[in-house]
Amino acid sequence: AQSVTQLDSQVPVFEEAPVELRCNYSSSVSVYLFWYVQYPNQGLQLLLKYLSGSTLVESINGFEAEFNKSQTSFHLRKPSVHISDTAEYFCAVRAAGNKLTFGGGTRVLVKP
Amino acid sequence: GAGVSQSPSNKVTEKGKDVELRCDPISGHTALYWYRQSLGQGLEFLIYFQGNSAPDKSGLPSDRFSAERTGGSVSTLTIQRTQQEDSAVYLCASRGRTDYEQYFGPGTRLTVT
Repeated sequence: AQSVTQLDSQVPVFEEAPVELRCNYSSSVSVYLFWYVQYPNQGLQLLLKYLSGSTLVESINGFEAEFNKSQTSFHLRKPSVHISDTAEYFCAVRAAGNKLTFGGGTRVLVKP
Repeated sequence: GAGVSQSPSNKVTEKGKDVELRCDPISGHTALYWYRQSLGQGLEFLIYFQGNSAPDKSGLPSDRFSAERTGGSVSTLTIQRTQQEDSAVYLCASRGRTDYEQYFGPGTRLTVT
């Protein structure tokens, strides 16, 4: 069975500071990993995904995540956050049938 | 193009009543998923439809929950005899045949009083 652990439930961070959101997974099948973002009162949006190939994947708004098979991790990073990055972030792994197993989420609060 | 839409956006119902939640997936998407997002349980998979195959109902929490997908497009999630613990945001997602990404709708917030 697949599972995802997000080690931090909340991460406060000052504007323009770096942030790292940790995600560890377990999976018995080929690993496809995703980060989704949920802005306040909105639905889930895909931030980035790892399917195969380069272990470092990037999003259009400055986030990046690195797939580390030996550590079974897929941590999300951004070198400099903005107020608009305040949101909840979910790490997910594809399970059988292409359904997603989500982590518990990490709330990022960016302070001015 | 149009994304996944869900209706209603909010639903308040009394305990014991039945509710129906609707999902309109992206046109042409063959796979459709229902998830539930609640404070205590996080994001949970409920049910999955893929084309004409039998649905994967392994995530449904009780027999009060059911879903159908008509004509390979619109889906309805039905909760019978609602309980307070059913209060949550119900999210629908769809996926194209060759995609791995799921596209989520805005959700229906269900409150059982």
